[in-house]
Amino acid sequence: DAGVTQSPTHLIKTRGQHVTLRCSPISGHKSVSWYQQVLGQGPQFIFQYYEKEERGRGNFPDRFSARQFPNYSSELNVNALLLGDSALYLCASSLFGLQSNEQFFGPGTRLTVL
Amino acid sequence: ILNVEQSPQSLHVQEGDSTNFTCSFPSSNFYALHWYRWETAKSPEALFVMTLNGDEKKKGRISATLNTKEGYSYLYIKGSQPEDSATYLCAFLDSWGKLQFGAGTQVVVTP
Repeated sequence: DAGVTQSPTHLIKTRGQHVTLRCSPISGHKSVSWYQQVLGQGPQFIFQYYEKEERGRGNFPDRFSARQFPNYSSELNVNALLLGDSALYLCASSLFGLQSNEQFFGPGTRLTVL
Repeated sequence: ILNVEQSPQSLHVQEGDSTNFTCSFPSSNFYALHWYRWETAKSPEALFVMTLNGDEKKKGRISATLNTKEGYSYLYIKGSQPEDSATYLCAFLDSWGKLQFGAGTQVVVTP
């Protein structure tokens, strides 16, 4: 069975640009969450989507947005990139919401902003 | 501001020894506590999702307890093996749907 997949694997952008990261959940999973992880810290929660609706949001500026599609895949968009947005972006899927379900993480997208 | 703290930040364990470490979290608006293992160059792997005060969960040599009233959870590794070397993360889910991770406890098991 395919696990959670993310694309691209690596990405280099310059300040002010826009980026779109993609995530495909495990088949049958209806919830997708996005995280930002910088070296030395735990993952920071950005969004959770369940059944195509936003169910949770972390402390990130409005430059960060996401959506979930009818097939439950998801996109994370970041506008007006800053140097500080350089990080590993992780996507995780779960069968239902986060309350009682374990998440399965993808390999991540490494974003570098120059 | 919610704060999830893990201690110690890192620890070294001899193979065969048992160890434990702590995750502390806010005692209000609790919904669930997650534990993950994150090995270098891999994705985080879910260990436990705990929702009830007094919960105890076990997976092989790893077990966890939960005290939601005082806001802490312990993770135990019995008879540590080199393959247990990883960063162990806990994450607090509040009733608003926000998940907050701690910075992790890095465990190094030496033969």
